[in-house]
Amino acid sequence: GQSLEQPSEVTAVEGAIVQINCTYQTSGFYGLSWYQQHDGGAPTFLSYNALDGLEETGRFSSFLSRSDSYGYLLLQELQMKDSASYFCAVRDRGDSSYKLIFGSGTRLLVRP
Amino acid sequence: KAGVTQTPRYLIKTRGQQVTLSCSPISGHRSVSWYQQTPGQGLQFLFEYFSETQRNKGNFPGRFSGRQFSNSRSEMNVSTLELGDSALYLCASSRTGTGAETQYFGPGTRLLVL
Repeated sequence: GQSLEQPSEVTAVEGAIVQINCTYQTSGFYGLSWYQQHDGGAPTFLSYNALDGLEETGRFSSFLSRSDSYGYLLLQELQMKDSASYFCAVRDRGDSSYKLIFGSGTRLLVRP
Repeated sequence: KAGVTQTPRYLIKTRGQQVTLSCSPISGHRSVSWYQQTPGQGLQFLFEYFSETQRNKGNFPGRFSGRQFSNSRSEMNVSTLELGDSALYLCASSRTGTGAETQYFGPGTRLLVL
């Protein structure tokens, strides 16, 4: 089967660093994406890793280890507006296109 | 550049009815994917369309169907609605739906089935 595991909730203090882990088990793998979703909003793309290593985009970084079927999202200098749900998603190739398979999401609460 | 738009934003239906949701992708994007989001099942892939053809399909019953028009706009239809169909329905677009392309999501249509 196909599954992604990520923690359900994480709490951190404003200004701190938080890491959200994601482990996956899929039949096909063409990269790991991360999305942010505020309550009532649409998922917003944050980052994508196709190869092993670290990708950095401003305060957000994402890491992938394909041999360990593991990735994480690192958020630095946390701000109150970072309180949201974060989803990891695997790009799984179908017959001729890619589809996203999502984890259940991690709810991040940033406290002052 | 305008983002992905979805109409209507909110919808209330009763069991047994059918519903049609609409999605307009970002200009120049020809791939449209649909997802269902519920508290219990999370975000689940429904299907993907490209150039008016369904290329990929998730594990949903045949009551869920879709189509895409020549201008890349897409609709999804749910027939014989069930209470469990209450969900946020999201569409996402990308240029071709392949490779390392990012999928950009619309605001969603929140469907409540009574």
